[in-house]
Amino acid sequence: QLQLQESGPGLVKPSETLSLTCTVSGASISSSGYYWDWIRKPPGKGLEWIGSSYYSGTTYYNPSLKSRVTISVDTSKNQFSLKVTSVTAADTAMYYCARSYTVFYTFDIWGQGTMVTVSS
Amino acid sequence: EIVLTQSPGTLSLSPGERGTLSCRASQSISSSYLAWYQQKPGQAPRLLIYGASSRATGIPDRFSGSGSGTDFTLTISRLEPEDFAVYYCQQYGSSPPMYSFGQGTKLEIK
Repeated sequence: QLQLQESGPGLVKPSETLSLTCTVSGASISSSGYYWDWIRKPPGKGLEWIGSSYYSGTTYYNPSLKSRVTISVDTSKNQFSLKVTSVTAADTAMYYCARSYTVFYTFDIWGQGTMVTVSS
Repeated sequence: EIVLTQSPGTLSLSPGERGTLSCRASQSISSSYLAWYQQKPGQAPRLLIYGASSRATGIPDRFSGSGSGTDFTLTISRLEPEDFAVYYCQQYGSSPPMYSFGQGTKLEIK
C-alpha cells in the first residue's frame, strides 16, 4: 500500500529556508504517469498547490511561489523534497506531500501533513 | 489564472438531508480535470470525485458530481454523520501547468 510521510523542522526563522522531505513507501517514485507534489494549507485558509516534480526532474511551480521554491526527487532514496527560501510568517502552514495522477490530474494519495511555523 | 469560487461558504444540514455544493470557475474548464476532495479536522484531504463525475476508489455512491463549463456540483444524497467536513473543488490547467483549489465549503451539522 502506497504511503507518503513528510519530515522536517516544525519551526523556521524568518528569512531562512524551509526544507521538507517526503518519503514514499509501497511503490517506486519512478512509476510512470505520476508526479510528486507539495500542497499547503495556512491556518484558517484553503489549500494552495506549491509545485510538482516528475522522477526525471521535470518540475512545475505555482507562479506565485516560483521564485522561492525548489522541488527535487531522489530516486535512490525514494524521496522528494521541498525548499522554500526567504520565508515569512505567510509561509506558516500545514504542508502536505501528495501524488498526482497525470490522466485526470488529481491528488490521489496524500501524506498526513506536517505543520511548519515561521517565527523568530 | 483560473479562480474557483465555492458556495455556500458554510452549509448547515441535518443527517439524512441532501447536500448540494457548488463550484464555479472564472472561465470554462475541462470537466476531465475537475475534482472534489473531503477534509476532516486533523486529516489530509481525500479524493472523492475526479473527471467531474467519477467516484474515486472506495467512495460511497451517495456522493455524486456533475457539471460542465464553468459550473460544477457535488451532491451528497443522504448525509451521514461522517460526511460533515470541509469540501474543496480543484482544477488543473495546462497553460501554464497549474492546479488551483476553491476556498472550500464547510458542511456542518444543523
